[in-house]
Amino acid sequence: QVQLVQSGAEVTKPGASVRVSCKASGYAFTTYYMHWVRQAPGQGLEWMGMINPSGGSTTYAQKFQGRVTMTRDTSTSTVYMELSSLRSEDTALYYCARGIGYNYALRYWGQGTLVTVSS
Amino acid sequence: DIQMTQSPSSLSAFVGDRVTVTCRASQGISNSLAWYQQKPGKAPKLLLFAASTLESGVPSRFGGSGSGTDYTLTISSLQPEDFATYFCQQYYSTPHTFGQGTKLEVK
Repeated sequence: QVQLVQSGAEVTKPGASVRVSCKASGYAFTTYYMHWVRQAPGQGLEWMGMINPSGGSTTYAQKFQGRVTMTRDTSTSTVYMELSSLRSEDTALYYCARGIGYNYALRYWGQGTLVTVSS
Repeated sequence: DIQMTQSPSSLSAFVGDRVTVTCRASQGISNSLAWYQQKPGKAPKLLLFAASTLESGVPSRFGGSGSGTDYTLTISSLQPEDFATYFCQQYYSTPHTFGQGTKLEVK
């Protein structure tokens, strides 16, 4: 069965960077785009971007351009999301999610990684 | 960016009621729309995609419709487990924006 297992919670300071990992299993890793979605406490969902694990190409939401980097390691079926220049507003639950394949609706989700930015 | 305006933001209803949630896109999205259900402390769960295609395992009381810019999620007869927050998402163009969410509460 498809599983997306994310790294553990992070507490970090303003101005720092954080990297969250998402290890995929149960399917052909390079076949499906992986997306990152975040949710601030008590708020809605925000799409951050996606990566094609096959070639590594990325598409980022304009809001995060210059601050976010998504990468992948095909040898371990893991994708990474690094967010830099953190501020308190980046405190959120970060999810990786995989699409259906023939469209980008998000069928499988990781368990979420809480990133807390606090001085 | 395509803006997704979801309404209402909250809704109170009884078990057995029929409820409707709407999403309006700021431009046409050619049925590239998904609906998700989220319960507290859990990741979102895909309910429908392509505006009206029911995800496998989702009860048939959930239905989706719409075209162009206007889309609707309908729950035909609310069950206790349906009280949750619902989000729409367009994946027609990046960024794949979400609606603000509709919190469905017990009346």
